[in-house]
Amino acid sequence: GAVVSQHPSRVICKSGTSVKIECRSLDFQATTMFWYRQFPKQSLMLMATSNEGSKATYEQGVEKDKFLINHASLTLSTLTVTSAHPEDSSFYICSAPRATGGDTQYFGPGTRLTVL
Amino acid sequence: SQKIEQNSEALNIQEGKTATLTCNYTNYSPAYLQWYRQDPGRGPVFLLLIRENEKEKRKERLKVTFDTTLKQSLFHITASQPADSATYLCALSPENSGYSTLTFGKGTMLLVSP
Repeated sequence: GAVVSQHPSRVICKSGTSVKIECRSLDFQATTMFWYRQFPKQSLMLMATSNEGSKATYEQGVEKDKFLINHASLTLSTLTVTSAHPEDSSFYICSAPRATGGDTQYFGPGTRLTVL
Repeated sequence: SQKIEQNSEALNIQEGKTATLTCNYTNYSPAYLQWYRQDPGRGPVFLLLIRENEKEKRKERLKVTFDTTLKQSLFHITASQPADSATYLCALSPENSGYSTLTFGKGTMLLVSP
């Protein structure tokens, strides 16, 4: 079946540095991918919608200059957390619809970001 | 404001029993509702989708009901097994959202004891 991968699975960085997280669709093309953030014991919160070949759409309250999204191909979206701070420590998860405009989503395994 | 509520307390049941999880929502008119399973430190895995014009959907030991009048969905796991222990998330897609944006509840943790 379709699989979405993420890399890295875990990252620890110093405050002020930037971290890039990759999300790949492995056997299907995804013109749209979604990025979520999940704090402990909280629900997944949609951060932004990544669109291949165009600008990402950010949810209210998410700083687009801090969370840079690039969707340069039909199988790869990247999220870069710029100038990371301890409050950015979280579980970042990407997903892609099974089909264009599809109802259900395949989720990646997530990336645990810890900012010291 | 729009809300999705799932029981925040963990549900503890004995192996072989039926687990029933609840998802209530307010100020939504969802076109469909989905249930996902999430294991610790992992991304969610899709389980079932039920549309607004469907009352019930089944898949193996899983059953979902959807009552748009009560604004509630029930998720049942029959003959539960310890391997069913996980957090179960309810997710809604807004009516006519254009694409599959999902809003998730916080999830309910299910613990099945042998």
